[in-house]
Amino acid sequence: DIQMAQSPSSLSASVGDRVTITCRASQSISSYLNWYQQKPGKAPKLLIHAASDLRSGVPSRFSGSGSGTHFTLTISSLQPEDFATYYCQQSDTALMYTFGQGTKLEIK
Amino acid sequence: QVQLVESGGGVVQPGKSLRLSCAASGFTFSNYGIHWVRQAPGKGLEWVAGISYDGRKEFYADSVRGRFTISRDNSNNTLYLQMNSLRPEDTAVYYCAKDRLATPGGNNWFDPWGQGTLVTVSS
Repeated sequence: DIQMAQSPSSLSASVGDRVTITCRASQSISSYLNWYQQKPGKAPKLLIHAASDLRSGVPSRFSGSGSGTHFTLTISSLQPEDFATYYCQQSDTALMYTFGQGTKLEIK
Repeated sequence: QVQLVESGGGVVQPGKSLRLSCAASGFTFSNYGIHWVRQAPGKGLEWVAGISYDGRKEFYADSVRGRFTISRDNSNNTLYLQMNSLRPEDTAVYYCAKDRLATPGGNNWFDPWGQGTLVTVSS
């Protein structure tokens, strides 16, 4: 199975900060990497698919990059509504869609 | 708009069964694959099962294969998850999530998700 490792597991930042979250795959997954945002008590929401494609309606301060085994999610200027937990997910291996363990982004 | 609404969660004893439902609206349900993903309390996300648009292909995580069965009723726009031989480690919020493809495969993502239904397995 492909394992996904996110770092950091938690992060404190301030409104206006630039933040980067990393996701590493245990083997190459090409660009088959998605990012989701989850707020407490709510369902996850898709932010970015295929490593760098922004879902329609998602603010442009979110961006994704990477390929192979190393991926990043960047928020260019944190807004109050961005404080949440972020998950990466690989979809290279059909039918074993593994997620990273999550990165909790908190207000400093 | 696309909407998914789960139901059927509750408290169940270990070894017992439970069936979850997911009612879909706002899109042509019979054209898309669809999945169950769960989240144990305070933990991360785990993909559980997926099914093709026509119900002919089913896919399972190793942790539930042989105990859980995914199915769908396209005439009623509803997805199901039959959970048998439940274990305490199956305790989680169960979400249904729409596939971008007709048959689950690679280069895939889940969008949108339902609000989830909580299953608690405890004696």
